[in-house]
Amino acid sequence: GQSLEQPSEVTAVEGAIVQINCTYQTSGFYGLSWYQQHDGGAPTFLSYNALDGLEETGRFSSFLSRSDSYGYLLLQELQMKDSASYFCAVRDRWAGGFKTIFGAGTRLFVKA
Amino acid sequence: DSGVTQTPKHLITATGQRVTLRCSPRSGDLSVYWYQQSLDQGLQFLIHYYNGEERAKGNILERFSAQQFPDLHSELNLSSLELGDSALYFCASSVGRDFTNEQYFGPGTRLTVT
Repeated sequence: GQSLEQPSEVTAVEGAIVQINCTYQTSGFYGLSWYQQHDGGAPTFLSYNALDGLEETGRFSSFLSRSDSYGYLLLQELQMKDSASYFCAVRDRWAGGFKTIFGAGTRLFVKA
Repeated sequence: DSGVTQTPKHLITATGQRVTLRCSPRSGDLSVYWYQQSLDQGLQFLIHYYNGEERAKGNILERFSAQQFPDLHSELNLSSLELGDSALYFCASSVGRDFTNEQYFGPGTRLTVT
């Protein structure tokens, strides 16, 4: 079957660094994405990793290890506005093509 | 603003009823995806259309159906509504035919079934 696991919530202090982990189990893995969603808002795309390694985009970085079926999102210099839910999503190949499977989300609380 | 629009923003209806949710993709995007997000849950993929044709189906109930019109807007029809159908329904769009890693989400329609 297909599954994604990520922590339900994480708390960190403003200015700190936080890592949100995601482990996955899929039948035809093609890539790992991260989305941010503020309360009451729509998900917004943050990053995508298809190959092993670290991708950096400003304060956010995303890492993938295909051999370990594991990835993480790293948020640096945390700001209050980073308080949101973060979803990892897997692009999985199936009989009809591709589909995206989302994890249950990690709620990040940033404290002053 | 992602460029994806959804109407209505909120919908309150009774069990057994039928509703239609509407989505207009970003200009130039040919793919539309529908997702359901229940309270404190992740996103459940429902269905994907590309240029008017169904491309992929996810966990979509038989009571639900969708279509994409020639002008590329899409509608999600929910019938014989149950209390458990109360959720946020998002549509997203992208340029390509296959699932992409980058999808642009609309603001969502919050459906409440009473």
